[in-house]
Parts: sequence; structure tokens; C-alpha cells
Amino acid sequence: EVQLVESGGDLVKPGGSLRLSCVASGFTFSHAWMNWVRQAPGKGLEWVGRIRSTTDGGTIDYVAPVKDRLTISRDDSKNTLYLQMNNLKTDDTAVYYCSPSRPGWELFPVFDYWGQGTLVTVSS
Amino acid sequence: DIQMTQSPSSLSASVGDRVTITCRASQTISIYLNWYQLRPGKAPRLLIYAASSLQSGVPSRFSGSGSGTDFTLTINSLQPEDFATYYCQQSFSSVDFGRGTRLEIK
Repeated sequence: EVQLVESGGDLVKPGGSLRLSCVASGFTFSHAWMNWVRQAPGKGLEWVGRIRSTTDGGTIDYVAPVKDRLTISRDDSKNTLYLQMNNLKTDDTAVYYCSPSRPGWELFPVFDYWGQGTLVTVSS
Repeated sequence: DIQMTQSPSSLSASVGDRVTITCRASQTISIYLNWYQLRPGKAPRLLIYAASSLQSGVPSRFSGSGSGTDFTLTINSLQPEDFATYYCQQSFSSVDFGRGTRLEIK
């Protein structure tokens, strides 16, 4: 059974930093292209970015608004995905989800599995 | 970015009704369109992928259609658990979601 457990969400002041984690199980994490998606309160879903599998180069794509402040990384030995968030803004307030791209569909992502999410609140 | 325009943004319906939600892409995306259901406190759920393929385990009252720029999600015979928010997502070029359609009980 695929499980994704996000953690690390917290209340943080504008300009602060936070690191989110996503521990995965039930699939071969090292082969998976992993994604972060967020949902701000009362708003829709927004794809934040993804990291390719190490065997596929481990390269990372970000949505433009977060490109210089958020960093996605992975530790395949721990089956864990990370999202380092720096210089946080109030607009970053959201529930953050991780999700693996469906195998074989990495270039046209389909998100079969999602965690429960972790809440990040940026407020003074 | 590809703009995904969902309509309506909200609708009210009754148990047993049939509803249709539309999603229009700002440029052609072939069939690379997925639909998700979000309920409060639950993880998002994939319903339809590649425009019309039903995800395993999803009831057959859900169906999707379309290609190019125009897509629809249809729910036949609404059940109480279907009252939720629905999102389309294009995966043809990067990833973009629609703004969601909130389905409420009339």
C-alpha cells in the first residue's frame, strides 16, 4: 500500500524558513519522480515543483513564483522528499502535499497517490 | 503556463442528479487532462486520467470526455459522498490546475 506522510508544517513569520518532509512507502521511491502541490486556504491546487528520480538525472522543475525561494531535494536512502522554504511570504500559506508521478507517465504527470498534507501558515 | 478555466465555479445539485463540469485549456493539450476530487480533511483523489480513463476503484458514475482544449467531467446519479470540490489538471506542458468547482447539496 502506498503511503505518503508529510510533516514539518508550522506557523512561521514572513521572511522565515521551514523544511517540509514527505516520507514515502509502498513503492520504489528511488525510481519515482516526486512532486509538491499546495492548496492555499479557499484557493485551488497549485503545483509547486518536482524532482526527477536520481537515475533520470535528479533535476528539478519549479513553478515560477517560488523558484528562488523553495528548494526540492530527496534522500533515497530514507525514502524522503524535502521542501526547503526560505524567505516565506504570506502567500505561501497553504497545505502542502507530496505525490509521486505515475510510473511511465512522468512527462505527462498523473498523481495517483497523495498524502494528507501539512499546513504551513505564514503570518506575523 | 496553460490556463485552465473550469466552469461553473460552484453548483448545487441533489442526490440522484446528473452534473457536468467543464474545463477549457488556453491551448491544445491533446488528452493530457486529469480530474481530482477534494473533500475537507481528506487527501485529493484521482478520478479520471487521460481525459476519459477511469481510475481504478472509482465508481463508474464518474466519466470524462474531451480532447484538445475542451473537457468535461460528468457524475451520474449523485451520491452523498460526491459533494466535494473537483479540479482539472493539465499535464501536457508542465502542470496546471483549474480553479475548482464546488459541488454542493441543494
